[in-house]
Amino acid sequence: RKEVEQDPGPFNVPEGATVAFNCTYSNSASQSFFWYRQDCRKEPKLLMSVYSSGNEDGRFTAQLNRASQYISLLIRDSKLSDSATYLCAVNLNTGGFKTIFGAGTRLFVKA
Amino acid sequence: NAGVTQTPKFRVLKTGQSMTLLCAQDMNHEYMYWYRQDPGMGLRLIHYSVGEGTTAKGEVPDGYNVSRLKKQNFLLGLESAAPSQTSVYFCASSYSILAGDMDTQYFGPGTRLTVL
Repeated sequence: RKEVEQDPGPFNVPEGATVAFNCTYSNSASQSFFWYRQDCRKEPKLLMSVYSSGNEDGRFTAQLNRASQYISLLIRDSKLSDSATYLCAVNLNTGGFKTIFGAGTRLFVKA
Repeated sequence: NAGVTQTPKFRVLKTGQSMTLLCAQDMNHEYMYWYRQDPGMGLRLIHYSVGEGTTAKGEVPDGYNVSRLKKQNFLLGLESAAPSQTSVYFCASSYSILAGDMDTQYFGPGTRLTVL
């Protein structure tokens, strides 16, 4: 089993739709969690950190479920510009540094 | 601020050739990282550095070497390139490793390397 797993998609949704992605992680020592956005042939950029209490930034909501070991990203009122690959990342403290990225979920928002 | 920059942007090598990828950051970050990204594999950590003069192995270090002689620069070397090293290489930096928001990583634009 991969340490961090994401549904690769693609998710094809119409503008205005709500879409949700999940990311599961296997190591209970995971300490911090992030969602990154990566546009085609570009570098990943931080979308948002994921806090234990959940957090919201405009149309984007991130949640963490430690008991079930997954994080989620909800995008409301999808825009064409939301089309991208969304990577989850998990930081571990296992006596040394370790960040594990998921392989990403591709989202296409259609007009 | 330029953020994180990488040179070159593209490179084609023949098997057995060597090259160095340069990463520079102007954010005074302590930590720097080199990743490779392959289709369906996500980002995989090659080497990282927690400060000037220190380096450590990541998940896939074989065939690569690194150096961090100056805080702002992190070099990735391929001594004898192999076709399996064809990939997109990203450099990243952060303030710290595990300090909440402070461990957000900032990525460079990437280097697309093809080894024939």
